[in-house]
Amino acid sequence: QKEVEQNSGPLSVPEGAIASLNCTYSDRGSQSFFWYRQYSGKSPELIMFIYSNGDKEDGRFTAQLNKASQYVSLLIRDSQPSDSATYLCAVNKDTGFQKLVFGTGTRLLVSP
Amino acid sequence: NAGVTQTPKFQVLKTGQSMTLQCAQDMNHNSMYWYRQDPGMGLRLIYYSASEGTTDKGEVPNGYNVSRLNKREFSLRLESAAPSQTSVYFCASSEVLAGDTRADTQYFGPGTRLTVL
Repeated sequence: QKEVEQNSGPLSVPEGAIASLNCTYSDRGSQSFFWYRQYSGKSPELIMFIYSNGDKEDGRFTAQLNKASQYVSLLIRDSQPSDSATYLCAVNKDTGFQKLVFGTGTRLLVSP
Repeated sequence: NAGVTQTPKFQVLKTGQSMTLQCAQDMNHNSMYWYRQDPGMGLRLIYYSASEGTTDKGEVPNGYNVSRLNKREFSLRLESAAPSQTSVYFCASSEVLAGDTRADTQYFGPGTRLTVL
């Protein structure tokens, strides 16, 4: 079992819809969870992080964490074609230092 | 403020050649990292440096060495390149937001695309 699992996609949504990206992790001791966006040929850039159960909102993005189910998700409201990218989920297991374990990413395609 | 810079952007090596990938950050971050990214494998940690003067192995350290030259610079060396080291290499640095290590945020450089023939 991979430590961090994501569906590779592509996930296709029409412009204006809600895109829902999911991630599961295997280590119950994981402390914090990160979502990165990576455009083709570019480097990952942080969208947001979450470490408490529940929802965390930042603009059109909402991260959801359920530690009991070992599940973290990212919702993108009012999806735009510019949101088309690969979304990487990353998990930090070490509270004293950040060593991230990344999923392989989900490719999102938003059609006009 | 350039953030994290990497050189070179592209490199082609022959099997057995050596090279050093350079990384520098101007954000005064303590921690720096080297990752490789391969199709279907995601980002994998090669080495990291929690602070100036320290380095530790990550998930895939074999075939690589690192040097934390000072707080700004962290280099990755391939002593004898192999085709299996063909990959995109990313350097990253991190800060702790609001004094909480759970919120330690990594910033990535633009990457080096390495091909080993």
